[in-house]
Amino acid sequence: GAVVSQHPSRVICKSGTSVKIECRSLDFQATTMFWYRQFPKKSLMLMATSNEGSKATYEQGVEKDKFLINHASLTLSTLTVTSAHPEDSSFYICSALGADTQYFGPGTRLTVL
Amino acid sequence: QKEVEQDPGPLSVPEGAIVSLNCTYSNSAFQYFMWYRQYSRKGPELLMYTYSSGNKEDGRFTAQVDKSSKYISLFIRDSQPSDSATYLCAMSFVAGGTSYGKLTFGQGTILTVHP
Repeated sequence: GAVVSQHPSRVICKSGTSVKIECRSLDFQATTMFWYRQFPKKSLMLMATSNEGSKATYEQGVEKDKFLINHASLTLSTLTVTSAHPEDSSFYICSALGADTQYFGPGTRLTVL
Repeated sequence: QKEVEQDPGPLSVPEGAIVSLNCTYSNSAFQYFMWYRQYSRKGPELLMYTYSSGNKEDGRFTAQVDKSSKYISLFIRDSQPSDSATYLCAMSFVAGGTSYGKLTFGQGTILTVHP
């Protein structure tokens, strides 16, 4: 149980385009999902908390207009990186809050050329 | 001072060794303690979850929490090459409130178990 999927697993895009990443809880409902960013050999950096049916809460320093989050259902949250630039290249990981703790997706590797 | 401190390693041990991974923290409000394992280019996988002080064992893994010392540990017995990964400690506050479910992570320890 407690499986979280992400799609796509890898995406390469041109600078200036927008990229959408989906996060799904497959076998449980998640009122709350989280989005993280991880740089090589570094720990996870929380970007925002996504709550079903309400606006996301962004961490300090994270641009909400750049990283759009939508949590339209109890099993799906999306992160859209708008007008992506090379510095947005990173490993993006989502998690879903289960009964006791967070369960993580497999991550999405974004490369912006 | 970071809220959660974890020695990043890297840590290299021979197969069969006992591995000890540790984290210290400064905020006494943390009540839930977790260990995640992360393989390269993958998402973290929950290994152990404990509430408050005490020990918890699951197969070759034992998690210990000492709230009085603000110190948590993960022990891996009979380590295997497949245990080679980054191990992240994480902790959270009591349920409820705007911080509900938010995790504070350590920096992660890179472990290599060589045959």
